Amino acid sequence: EADIYQTPRYLVIGTGKKITLECSQTMGHDKMYWYQQDPGMELHLIHYSYGVNSTEKGDLSSESTVSRIRTEHFPLTLESARPSHTSQYLCASSERGSGISNTQYFGPGTRLTVL
Amino acid sequence: KNQVEQSPQSLIILEGKNCTLQCNYTVSPFSNLRWYKQDTGRGPVSLTIMTFSENTKSNGRYTATLDADTKQSSLHITASQLSDSASYICVVSDRGSTLGRLYFGRGTQLTVWP
Repeated sequence: EADIYQTPRYLVIGTGKKITLECSQTMGHDKMYWYQQDPGMELHLIHYSYGVNSTEKGDLSSESTVSRIRTEHFPLTLESARPSHTSQYLCASSERGSGISNTQYFGPGTRLTVL
Repeated sequence: KNQVEQSPQSLIILEGKNCTLQCNYTVSPFSNLRWYKQDTGRGPVSLTIMTFSENTKSNGRYTATLDADTKQSSLHITASQLSDSASYICVVSDRGSTLGRLYFGRGTQLTVWP
C-alpha cells in the first residue's frame, strides 16, 4: 500500500463554491500528478509537478489550479465549481527518474459531485 | 497518435476459473508497460511492469506477457478469486520525455461470481 493520501474521499457541493482537494505523500517523491477519471473511461492527466515550485498543465484542459509549496503536498483548487466538474480526481506520485522508476503510486481518489 | 486499447471492455467469470485480458498499443518510442488493478472507488495499484526486453512477468496469480514486435500485451489471471473483481488497466510509458508520459487504456472490468 502506497503512502499517498487524499481528502476528502467524497464531496458533494453546490455550484459556484470554491473547493480544494488535498493530496499528501510521505515517500519523498519529487513528481506528483493529478488525474481526472470518469466512469468507464481512461485517466486523463490534468496537472503535474516535477518538484517544489514546479507546476505544469497536463493533457486535459482543466479549470482547476495546483500549487507545490512543499514536496509532500500537492493540493488542487477549483475557484468556482460547476456540474461539469463532477468526476473522480486521483493524485499520484513517483520518483525523480524515468523508465521503471517512474512507477506512479496512486491515492484513493476524491469523488466530487457538483449539484 | 499514441493509444492504448483494451479488450474485452467487461468480463464475468466464475470463481476458480482463469481469464486473459488483452492490451494493444501504438505508443512510440516505447519504454515500459504496466498493468494496474483498480478496485471500485480506489486508486490504481501496480501489478506488473515490463520493459522492451521482457516477455513475461508474474506476480502471484497474475502473469503478464509482452510482444513488443506486435505491440500487444496480455494479463492472465489464474484460479480467480472474488477479490479479483476490479478494473484492470494497461498503461504504456513512452521514452520521449523526462516526464515519462503515461498512456492509459480504459480498462477491463472483471467480475468474479461465486
